[in-house]
Amino acid sequence: QKEVEQDPGPLSVPEGAIVSLNCTYSNSAFQYFMWYRQYSRKGPELLMYTYSSGNKEDGRFTAQVDKSSKYISLFIRDSQPSDSATYLCAMSAPNDYKLSFGAGTTVTVRA
Amino acid sequence: EAQVTQNPRYLITVTGKKLTVTCSQNMNHEYMSWYRQDPGLGLRQIYYSMNVEVTDKGDVPEGYKVSRKEKRNFPLILESPSPNQTSLYFCASSSSRGTVAFFGQGTRLTVV
Repeated sequence: QKEVEQDPGPLSVPEGAIVSLNCTYSNSAFQYFMWYRQYSRKGPELLMYTYSSGNKEDGRFTAQVDKSSKYISLFIRDSQPSDSATYLCAMSAPNDYKLSFGAGTTVTVRA
Repeated sequence: EAQVTQNPRYLITVTGKKLTVTCSQNMNHEYMSWYRQDPGLGLRQIYYSMNVEVTDKGDVPEGYKVSRKEKRNFPLILESPSPNQTSLYFCASSSSRGTVAFFGQGTRLTVV
């Protein structure tokens, strides 16, 4: 079983819809929870991160962490065609030497 | 602007010809690492460095070398590239291990 599970999709939604992405994990030591957006053949771009549990909002993006369920989510409101990309969740524990990534979910927002 | 810069962005080379991919960050980060990304395998760590002159192997270090002579630079060296090293490579940096990482734009390497 992988340490971080993420449904690869693909996910296709109409413009203006809410996009809901999630990851589950098994390592209870994870403290940093990150979401990256990756456009085709580009580097992962940090969208948001959360330390420990709770919610964080930044514009149209909301990240949620539920450590009791080992479950994290990213919501994109009022989705735009420019949001079409692969979204990667990533996590780390305080002494980790690397990030643990999900497989990435490919999202297409249809105009 | 805070960034991680990799060069070159694209590289086609032949088997056995030594090459170096450079990585530089301007955030004064102590921790840097290299990943490769392959379809179906995701991002896998090659090497990491906790500080100047301190480096160690990641999950897939075979066929690669690194050095960290200055805090800002962390080059990836392929002494004798082989076709199975054809991949998309990313350099990343963070203020310390176990924290948020910032990635470079990527280097697409093809070994023929």
